[in-house]
Amino acid sequence: EDQVTQSPEALRLQEGESSSLNCSYTVSGLRGLFWYRQDPGKGPEFLFTLYSAGEEKEKERLKATLTKKESFLHITAPKPEDSATYLCAVRRSSNTGKLIFGQGTTLQVKP
Amino acid sequence: EAGVAQSPRYKIIEKRQSVAFWCNPISGHATLYWYQQILGQGPKLLIQFQNNGVVDDSQLPKDRFSAERLKGVDSTLKIQPAKLEDSAVYLCASSPLSGGDTEAFFGQGTRLTVV
Repeated sequence: EDQVTQSPEALRLQEGESSSLNCSYTVSGLRGLFWYRQDPGKGPEFLFTLYSAGEEKEKERLKATLTKKESFLHITAPKPEDSATYLCAVRRSSNTGKLIFGQGTTLQVKP
Repeated sequence: EAGVAQSPRYKIIEKRQSVAFWCNPISGHATLYWYQQILGQGPKLLIQFQNNGVVDDSQLPKDRFSAERLKGVDSTLKIQPAKLEDSAVYLCASSPLSGGDTEAFFGQGTRLTVV
């Protein structure tokens, strides 16, 4: 059964304190791994798609990496505006676009 | 480019009542999704449309939930009758294609509270 597990569930950082969020997955035939950001009261906002082990993508203070079993979202020198819930999702190699989401990591960055 | 539009933003109903949500996807997007997000969890797919045909509705509780996408554009999701456990945020998303490399773009969601 396809499964996505994110850790930790919650993370508190001081501004400038770098850290990483983990996404472990089990899926039959990975087509893509997606990272989304979700602010309170809003829908998920797309950040990255990773397709194969060893791939990395960066956007501002965020860098996503992928291995055969997990993905990491590295946050370098975070700012309070990076506070949000970060969702990881996987898509199987099939004709549908179904995303299977993890439960998310809620990040709080204090000034 | 206009995003995915959903209405209403909030809805409070009593159990056993019915409710409907509306979604207008990004113009030109062939694929439309409805996800359910219970508090503290990630979104779960309820139904996926490709144009006006259903691609995946395996996790839709069909005894009480129904959805349609007329003319391959707007979509409505209905719950009848509602149960307490249906309290959640209902997210609509769209993408240009059904799979491959395209990400899904989400609306702001409708927060449903069943009392």
